[in-house]
Amino acid sequence: DIVMTQTPLSSPVTLGQPASISCRSSQSLVHSDGNTYLSWLQQRPGQPPRLLIYKISNRFSGVPDRFSGSGAGTDFTLKISRVEAEDVGVYYCVQATQFPHTFGQGTKLEIK
Amino acid sequence: EVQLVESGGGLVQPGGSLRLSCAASGFTFSNYWMNWVRQAPGKGLMCVSRIKSDGSSTSYADSVKGRFTISRDNAKNMLYLQMNSLRAEDTAVYYCVRGGWPLDYWGQGTLVTVSS
Repeated sequence: DIVMTQTPLSSPVTLGQPASISCRSSQSLVHSDGNTYLSWLQQRPGQPPRLLIYKISNRFSGVPDRFSGSGAGTDFTLKISRVEAEDVGVYYCVQATQFPHTFGQGTKLEIK
Repeated sequence: EVQLVESGGGLVQPGGSLRLSCAASGFTFSNYWMNWVRQAPGKGLMCVSRIKSDGSSTSYADSVKGRFTISRDNAKNMLYLQMNSLRAEDTAVYYCVRGGWPLDYWGQGTLVTVSS
């Protein structure tokens, strides 16, 4: 299975400041069809996960543009340009290039 | 609006069985791969199983292979997970999730507790 490693595991951030989460995969996520199936999920407290970003950098429907994704191959980043209170929760990267889909350990975003 | 509503969770003894169901609405169910993803209490996410849109292909995590069976009824817009020989480590919230890729819509989840 592909191992997904996120850093940091905890990120205290001041409201209005940027935040960044890194995700590294144990092997390239480039699929034989040329796509890279790397997504980012947000899980607010007591809620199911919600899709934020798919195929590295595409924002899902309804996701604010303060969220952005980047990267290639094995290294990926989720950035929040200005953290708001509603962004508190756990963020996961997930790969769907190979089954089973595997998730990072999660990064807990909290407000300082 | 896409809706996925899981049911069937509960308390079961080790070695027991449960059948989870997921009622889908708001989209053409028969066009999509579907998945079960679980989350142990206070832990991360793990993909359990997936099924192709027409039901012709299924896949399982190694830890549940031979014990769990995923199925679907496209006429009823329903997804199922039959879980046999349950173990304590299967205790988790089980989410019904749409998509081969990405995993774009998630249900609220149903809690399965395996304990004597």
